[in-house]
Amino acid sequence: TQLLEQSPQFLSIQEGENLTVYCNSSSVFSSLQWYRQEPGEGPVLLVTVVTGGEVKKLKRLTFQFGDARKDSSLHITAAQPGDTGLYLCAGVPGSGGSNYKLTFGKGTLLTVNP
Amino acid sequence: NAGVMQNPRHLVRRRGQEARLRCSPMKGHSHVYWYRQLPEEGLKFMVYLQKENIIDESGMPKERFSAEFPKEGPSILRIQQVVRGDSAAYFCASSARGQGKYEQYFGPGTRLTVT
Repeated sequence: TQLLEQSPQFLSIQEGENLTVYCNSSSVFSSLQWYRQEPGEGPVLLVTVVTGGEVKKLKRLTFQFGDARKDSSLHITAAQPGDTGLYLCAGVPGSGGSNYKLTFGKGTLLTVNP
Repeated sequence: NAGVMQNPRHLVRRRGQEARLRCSPMKGHSHVYWYRQLPEEGLKFMVYLQKENIIDESGMPKERFSAEFPKEGPSILRIQQVVRGDSAAYFCASSARGQGKYEQYFGPGTRLTVT
């Protein structure tokens, strides 16, 4: 059983389209992070959200943390081929205790076609 | 402004050999984490180390795997007597501190292939 479920697993869209990917759990997370990983490389941190209901924007990317801190979404506006990659969400379950042991979802593989 | 460095990037070992994976954390970071990414699976936590101390090794297989982070030099993940199931990408991450709000920054990984 995966603690963090990401959907969709695969997404192929045309340049200029908008998209949303989701990261869901039945558990509460003290924080959630989004990473992007390109083939043959390590995950690159995009954002950290820590407060329920929090919204953060990074250029064309908008990240939201659910009110109950159990889910998060990533919305990309006007996608570009450079956005292609594996988008991973990761977090530390619980509201206390060890806060370093990141749990990862399996990711959404996004392909943006020119 | 070097990030997390890992070497080698690719490592091929025959069954029964030893694999040594190295990780140099980001400048100013003293907390190191190792994760493993198996095909079709997400990254899984293996071990958390600070200088000269293993803080949490709950994700490490009980046998053949060990990790260290000496006072001087990089962190080392050592796999003895490798088997085909050890083939995976191994990532090291570092952070400035382990408690409170923190962020982990990942290296490019070492792809281990066991033949």
